[in-house]
Amino acid sequence: GDSVTQMEGPVTLSEEAFLTINCTYTATGYPSLFWYVQYPGEGLQLLLKATKADDKGSNKGFEATYRKETTSFHLEKGSVQVSDSAVYFCVSNSGYALNFGKGTSLLVTP
Amino acid sequence: KAGVTQTPRYLIKTRGQQVTLSCSPISGHRSVSWYQQTPGQGLQFLFEYFSETQRNKGNFPGRFSGRQFSNSRSEMNVSTLELGDSALYLCATSQGQANTEAFFGQGTRLTVV
Repeated sequence: GDSVTQMEGPVTLSEEAFLTINCTYTATGYPSLFWYVQYPGEGLQLLLKATKADDKGSNKGFEATYRKETTSFHLEKGSVQVSDSAVYFCVSNSGYALNFGKGTSLLVTP
Repeated sequence: KAGVTQTPRYLIKTRGQQVTLSCSPISGHRSVSWYQQTPGQGLQFLFEYFSETQRNKGNFPGRFSGRQFSNSRSEMNVSTLELGDSALYLCATSQGQANTEAFFGQGTRLTVV
């Protein structure tokens, strides 16, 4: 079945540092790919999405590009803020259910 | 428009009891999915309902069941609760097409003692 693998955390960065969270997927079909974010004590929010190869999703300074040749969807941000501290999930969907990675906890310090 | 609403937010139950959780979707959303989130297993798919029919099911025992009403609201039931059922239960809704994103509620935190 479909699966998603993302780098383990926690990741600790200083404010204004560059962020990369690696994500790779396996799928039998052609999935859509997403990054969701979960702030402490809250549900999950959609951060960005890409529905086909070479699509770039972007939101709030975060970006990720759907790379079919490397089956990857790495999340990047050029300059993180303390408010970006959260857990980030890489997610695929090639049917009617979301497949989640394990999540990467990000802590940004002032 | 209003988001996904889950009730209650918190529950404490005793082993052996049963529990019912509720999810009201975003207006116009006909698909409702349920997920269990635990520190050890992460987020796991329970089941998905579309137009009052279970369309997709994860790998959970039969103690976990659900239903969907004509107004798309959904309930999830867990019978004969076990300590390991303690988790955050998240509901996600969408319009129901394949390969699309879903929108999540804030979850119900279930603690089994």
